[in-house]
Amino acid sequence: NAGVTQTPKFRILKIGQSMTLQCTQDMNHNYMYWYRQDPGMGLKLIYYSVGAGITDKGEVPNGYNVSRSTTEDFPLRLELAAPSQTSVYFCASSPRQGASGGGDTQYFGPGTRLTVL
Amino acid sequence: AQSVTQLGSHVSVSEGALVLLRCNYSSSVPPYLFWYVQYPNQGLQLLLKYTSAATLVKGINGFEAEFKKSETSFHLTKPSAHMSDAAEYFCAVSDTGGFKTIFGAGTRLFVKA
Repeated sequence: NAGVTQTPKFRILKIGQSMTLQCTQDMNHNYMYWYRQDPGMGLKLIYYSVGAGITDKGEVPNGYNVSRSTTEDFPLRLELAAPSQTSVYFCASSPRQGASGGGDTQYFGPGTRLTVL
Repeated sequence: AQSVTQLGSHVSVSEGALVLLRCNYSSSVPPYLFWYVQYPNQGLQLLLKYTSAATLVKGINGFEAEFKKSETSFHLTKPSAHMSDAAEYFCAVSDTGGFKTIFGAGTRLFVKA
């Protein structure tokens, strides 16, 4: 059971380039998330998805796009990379336990460290 | 709106000493509260969570946290620190039945030999 996997682990981009960060989970979780982590800032939600074909913006969506064509995959797209997007990106997933099931534990991938120069 | 405040971006303790990491939350509905731990160059993993079943929650690696509604706090403690506890710890809150989670800024724990 691999859990949540992310590729690549590291990437350096030039300003204006584009790239896709890949995320795959094998736990059949409905919910998936993309966060960015900046020093001293905790995690900020970029986008999330409640199931295949359904996505929505989080707290910091500008400059990013997502898609969710399958339950397993949730790629994050950067179209025109900017230095402000230098960060560590985490993908996470959680099951849907329902209102009576308690708070949903999120399972995180190992992260992608992105530098934009 | 929900929010989480972690008091102290860095905490340093000696090996064997008490660990206390502070977390205060704001929520208009009964919250679900979490502590996650992040070891260097890894993703976050769940340490423990409060879901209203009991106010004192025990987690992995000897950690526990107590939910105090009157103080809107969910502080994390461990009686005796170990070198392997050195990591960053995040407090988080989500609303009842919700799935979107708000994370605190994190507290980095240093353990001195």
